[in-house]
Amino acid sequence: EAGVAQSPRYKIIEKRQSVAFWCNPISGHATLYWYQQILGQGPKLLIQFQNNGVVDDSQLPKDRFSAERLKGVDSTLKIQPAKLEDSAVYLCASSLAPDRGRETQYFGPGTRLLVL
Amino acid sequence: SQQGEEDPQALSIQEGENATMNCSYKTSINNLQWYRQNSGRGLVHLILIRSNEREKHSGRLRVTLDTSKKSSSLLITASRAADTASYFCATDPLARGSARQLTFGSGTQLTVLP
Repeated sequence: EAGVAQSPRYKIIEKRQSVAFWCNPISGHATLYWYQQILGQGPKLLIQFQNNGVVDDSQLPKDRFSAERLKGVDSTLKIQPAKLEDSAVYLCASSLAPDRGRETQYFGPGTRLLVL
Repeated sequence: SQQGEEDPQALSIQEGENATMNCSYKTSINNLQWYRQNSGRGLVHLILIRSNEREKHSGRLRVTLDTSKKSSSLLITASRAADTASYFCATDPLARGSARQLTFGSGTQLTVLP
C-alpha cells in the first residue's frame, strides 16, 4: 500500500513569511497527526485529527499555526508569519483506528523547514 | 513535555554485538512503542507492547516492559551497520481518553561500526 505522502520535502523562507505543508495519509486511515521535530529532539505533537474534526490542538501555537483536514483525507499545515524558532522537520503521520486497537502510526518523510 | 526518556543518548557498538536501549516514563500507559528514524527520514514503527505484556519479540528485536518501574528496554541482537539510526520510545498515556496519541522521548542515537 502507498505510504504517507508529504510535500514539499524542503523549504527555505525568511522570517515573517508564510509557508504551507501538505500531507496525504494512507487510504482509510481516520486519524492524522502533525508533529514538529526540532534537531536532536523527538517529535512533538502539534495537532491530531479524527476524520475532518480536531481531536487535540493544545500544543499548536494558534497565533501563527493553523491546520485543516478537508473531507477527512488530505491535510495542510500553515505557518504565518514564520519565526526563526520554527526551523524544524514537520512530520505527518496517520493511523487506522487508535481507539480500537490499531494504534501504530505511519509517518511520512517529513518537510524540512529552514527559516532565515 | 517529553513523557519518555531514552538512555543512553548515544551508543556506539561493533557489528555483530547486541545493542540495548532503555526508556523511562512518568504516567500510566495503554501501550509503549519503539520507532526508528534514519537520518533525514520519517519514523518507522518497530514494535508495540501493551501494558499487560512483559516481553515481546520481532525478528532481532526484543522489548521488555516493567510497568511497576515505568520502564522499557529495546534489545537489538547481532547488530548490523544498517541498524545505525535514532531510536525513539513513545508512550500512549492512559489518561487521554478518546484522544489516543503518542508522546515521544528524545531518542538514542545508535551507531553500528562495520
